[in-house]
Amino acid sequence: GNSVTQMEGPVTLSEEAFLTINCTYTATGYPSLFWYVQYPGEGLQLLLKATKADDKGSNKGFEATYRKETTSFHLEKGSVQVSDSAVYFCALSDGRRQGGSEKLVFGKGTKLTVNP
Amino acid sequence: KAGVTQTPRYLIKTRGQQVTLSCSPISGHRSVSWYQQTPGQGLQFLFEYFSETQRNKGNFPGRFSGRQFSNSRSEMNVSTLELGDSALYLCASRTGTSTDTQYFGPGTRLTVL
Repeated sequence: GNSVTQMEGPVTLSEEAFLTINCTYTATGYPSLFWYVQYPGEGLQLLLKATKADDKGSNKGFEATYRKETTSFHLEKGSVQVSDSAVYFCALSDGRRQGGSEKLVFGKGTKLTVNP
Repeated sequence: KAGVTQTPRYLIKTRGQQVTLSCSPISGHRSVSWYQQTPGQGLQFLFEYFSETQRNKGNFPGRFSGRQFSNSRSEMNVSTLELGDSALYLCASRTGTSTDTQYFGPGTRLTVL
């Protein structure tokens, strides 16, 4: 079945450092890919998404490019801030089943801590 | 536009009891999905409802059930609670059309003692 593998961390960086969180996937068909972020005590917030190969999603300085040839969707940010400390989840949709149903398949999450 | 709301935010139950969690989707969204988040298993899909019909289900036992009302609000029920049911239960809504995005609520933290 479909699956997502991401580096589990934890990742600890200093403010203004460069961030990369690796994410690779296994899927049949043509999934959409997502990065969600979870702050302590909260639900998931969509950070960015890409729906087809070579699409680049971007938001709040974060970027990720849908690479079909390497089945990857790595998250990057050029200069992290203390406020970026959170858990980041890579996810894919399992395609468009008959009837339009869809579920998200998530990676295990990567905890990021940014120190001042 | 108001986001996805879930009630209650916290629950404490004992083994053997049952529990009902509620989710109100974003206005205009007809699809509601439920996910369970635990430290060991991560985020796992429970089920999805669209226009009052369950149209997808994850690999959970029959003790986990749900329903959706005509106003798109959804409830999930867990009967005969087990310690392993302790988790954060997240609800997500979307319009239900192709290529749309799921928006998550803050979750209900269930603790089973």
